[in-house]
Amino acid sequence: DAKTTQPPSMDCAEGRAANLPCNHSTISGNEYVYWYRQIHSQGPQYIIHGLKNNETNEMASLIITEDRKSSTLILPHATLRDTAVYYCIVSRGATNKLIFGTGTLLAVQP
Amino acid sequence: DAGVTQSPTHLIKTRGQQVTLRCSPISGHKSVSWYQQVLGQGPQFIFQYYEKEERGRGNFPDRFSARQFPNYSSELNVNALLLGDSALYLCASSFTDGNQPQHFGDGTRLSIL
Repeated sequence: DAKTTQPPSMDCAEGRAANLPCNHSTISGNEYVYWYRQIHSQGPQYIIHGLKNNETNEMASLIITEDRKSSTLILPHATLRDTAVYYCIVSRGATNKLIFGTGTLLAVQP
Repeated sequence: DAGVTQSPTHLIKTRGQQVTLRCSPISGHKSVSWYQQVLGQGPQFIFQYYEKEERGRGNFPDRFSARQFPNYSSELNVNALLLGDSALYLCASSFTDGNQPQHFGDGTRLSIL
């Protein structure tokens, strides 16, 4: 399974867009990019996933580069409740195993 | 709709004991996975079950076992508990064993004394 690299921490001002980067240079053609976040003492929350096209839902947008070696999760208007650890995960089908790294701690500042 | 539910929410055991953790998936979901999250680290994959069959196993000793029932609920059993088994145990469910997103419960916090 491909390994991902994320910055350990990031700050964002409340109301501004939060852009969280992820590198996955060894991703294979049948692997999806998933994003989850985990707020303290809760289980990980699914945010969004994609294969090669950009994706958007009510929570966030996912931008995947053309070579698929990196992606960016965008939270358009960050709030204090978006403070969490964000995990970028690459996963293929079959067992659907998710391999979590250490993620990015996003701190939204008032 | 109810999300993934896990019981109990907290549990305290002593070394050498055995524990059973329970998980009810989202209605309609047939795949259940278990993860262990030690403090300060990301979750680590333990097992995945689909249609009552084991489809994947992580790097955990044989003291860890699981099963899935006809109603797709699941149990995780851990025997001969060690201090290092203290962790948050997470259950996740999804529709199939393909690339559908997994949805997590809030876990069982297991403390070993």
